[in-house]
Amino acid sequence: DAKTTQPTSMDCAEGRAANLPCNHSTISGNEYVYWYRQIHSQGPQYIIHGLKNNETNEMASLIITEDRKSSTLILPHATLRDTAVYYCIVRVRGNDMRFGAGTRLTVKP
Amino acid sequence: DAGITQSPRHKVTETGTPVTLRCHQTENHRYMYWYRQDPGHGLRLIHYSYGVKDTDKGEVSDGYSVSRSKTEDFLLTLESATSSQTSVYFCAISERQGAEGRAFFGQGTRLTVV
Repeated sequence: DAKTTQPTSMDCAEGRAANLPCNHSTISGNEYVYWYRQIHSQGPQYIIHGLKNNETNEMASLIITEDRKSSTLILPHATLRDTAVYYCIVRVRGNDMRFGAGTRLTVKP
Repeated sequence: DAGITQSPRHKVTETGTPVTLRCHQTENHRYMYWYRQDPGHGLRLIHYSYGVKDTDKGEVSDGYSVSRSKTEDFLLTLESATSSQTSVYFCAISERQGAEGRAFFGQGTRLTVV
């Protein structure tokens, strides 16, 4: 199963772009990269996912390297409400979904 | 937001008593999951279901059982609660299997076993 590695914590200034990296060097060809976030003690929230191409939605952009061994989640204009734990997940074996420790992003005024 | 309701939201129970947590969805999604979240461990998968009466174990299934008799309900049972099962429990649903299926989470149930 593909594993992911993320920095434990990051800071970002309010209004600036937040770039959250994820390493998934053992990803296989049919595995997608998903990003979720968890604000305080709420349930995790889906952000975005992708396979090979870069993706963008109303929340964020996902940049996947050509070799697919790493990706970056970009929050273009971070706000204080984006302070959360961000999880990068590689979808494994069909039905189960395993979370790692994630990156704790703190957006500072 | 996806229609997921967890009940109860908070519960305090005594060691050795049975406890059932309920996850109810109104989205008609095929896949449902139970996770627990503890400080220092993040989210860990307990059990999941890929259809009515079809369930499988996750990484921390010992001490837990599940049932899914209807598409909309996924029950998590602690047959005899222990203090180590004090945790926050999250239910999730997903429409599709495999790589395309993004998941939606409930708001969690905080369980305290005393």
